[in-house]
Amino acid sequence: DTGVSQDPRHKITKRGQNVTFRCDPISEHNRLYWYRQTLGQGPEFLTYFQNEAQLEKSRLLSDRFSAERPKGSFSTLEIQRTEQGDSAMYLCASSRAGTGDTEAFFGQGTRLTVV
Amino acid sequence: AQSVAQPEDQVNVAEGNPLTVKCTYSVSGNPYLFWYVQYPNRGLQFLLKYITGDNLVKGSYGFEAEFNKSQTSFHLKKPSALVSDSALYFCAVRDTGAGSYQLTFGKGTKLSVIP
Repeated sequence: DTGVSQDPRHKITKRGQNVTFRCDPISEHNRLYWYRQTLGQGPEFLTYFQNEAQLEKSRLLSDRFSAERPKGSFSTLEIQRTEQGDSAMYLCASSRAGTGDTEAFFGQGTRLTVV
Repeated sequence: AQSVAQPEDQVNVAEGNPLTVKCTYSVSGNPYLFWYVQYPNRGLQFLLKYITGDNLVKGSYGFEAEFNKSQTSFHLKKPSALVSDSALYFCAVRDTGAGSYQLTFGKGTKLSVIP
């Protein structure tokens, strides 16, 4: 087990293009989260899955953003018609559901630059 | 709504001296509290958490934090700072009264340990 894996690590795209990021969580973790981090700020919550069900979505997740976790394993985050304001680090995290609560483990992130 | 405040953007401490990084929070229910560290070009690494029980929690790399319910604080401490502790530190909270699994992060505190 090598932790949470995100691909790609960096993405440069032109404004108006669509981009898709992938996250592979730690294998036994059934909770998966997406966060966005901009320079000088802490991560901001975007969305949360338990298994394949998307249970929470932030108001930050506009209709240009969509996330899926079709088989309850890996997840994808798609941004349509990218804007310069979408430039940020997109972080994926996973945790194990169970009694009590456990910490979330983060991947190294995908840095998106919209030009 | 849950929120976290890290009142210091930067903390400077001499190597070998004790360090404190401050965090205060606001929640409607009981808090789950976390500290994460972020090194340049790397993801967030979990340091420690408070869920319930002893107010003093110990974590990785010699760090500890004290939960103070009356002051709604969760300050991170270490008795003797190392140059390698220099990084960006984030406090995060989950409000168990909100029925949500999202973490709310502070803006981060940059710790610089001076040799």
